[in-house]
Amino acid sequence: EGRLVESGGGLVQPGGSLRLSCEASGFTFKTYWIHWVRQAPGKGLVWVSRINPDGTTIRYADSVKGRFTVSRDNTRNTVFLQMSNLRAEDTALYYCARVQGFYYGMDVWGQGTTVTVS
Amino acid sequence: SYVLSQPPSVSVAPGQTATITCGGNRLGSKSVHWYHQKPGQAPVVIVYDSDARPSGIPERFSGSKSGNTATLTINRVEAGDEADYYCQVWDSDTDHYVFGTGTQVTVL
Repeated sequence: EGRLVESGGGLVQPGGSLRLSCEASGFTFKTYWIHWVRQAPGKGLVWVSRINPDGTTIRYADSVKGRFTVSRDNTRNTVFLQMSNLRAEDTALYYCARVQGFYYGMDVWGQGTTVTVS
Repeated sequence: SYVLSQPPSVSVAPGQTATITCGGNRLGSKSVHWYHQKPGQAPVVIVYDSDARPSGIPERFSGSKSGNTATLTINRVEAGDEADYYCQVWDSDTDHYVFGTGTQVTVL
């Protein structure tokens, strides 16, 4: 079925940096797109970024472009979200999720890791 | 940027039918996915590609699309269906994914 586990969240001051990790297990990691989705406290889901299976195609939401960088290491079954110049509005629970393709939904999600910018 | 609009809340009695809409420009040409999210839990996909249901999702959940509106229908609503529901698409113009504004379903 597959499993994703996020880590790396924490409290950081405005302007600071943080690196999140998303470790996969139980499925062929290198064949899936991995997305980052965040959810501010009491708010809805917001798409942040995605990376294709071989790491050559990456997209970012306008709100994080230029500040966040996504990468993946298929030898470690892990995707990273490097967040820089953090703002209060980046405070959220960050999920990673896998996607097989545009016609499929995000069918496996992690439990999320919390980022607080204050 | 592309916007998907959902009603903020829907209330339904047990055993009745809940209908949640998702509106967006040219939605008819897009593949729509639906998720539910219960408090303190990660989202779960319940409909993908507008009307397909993942294995393990009850037949009570169904999706459809007409014009610029996608619809999630929950038949024979149960107390356990209380959750937030989100639609989601890929916007080919921006190459971004987009989530709807979310609908809170309350079972009376």
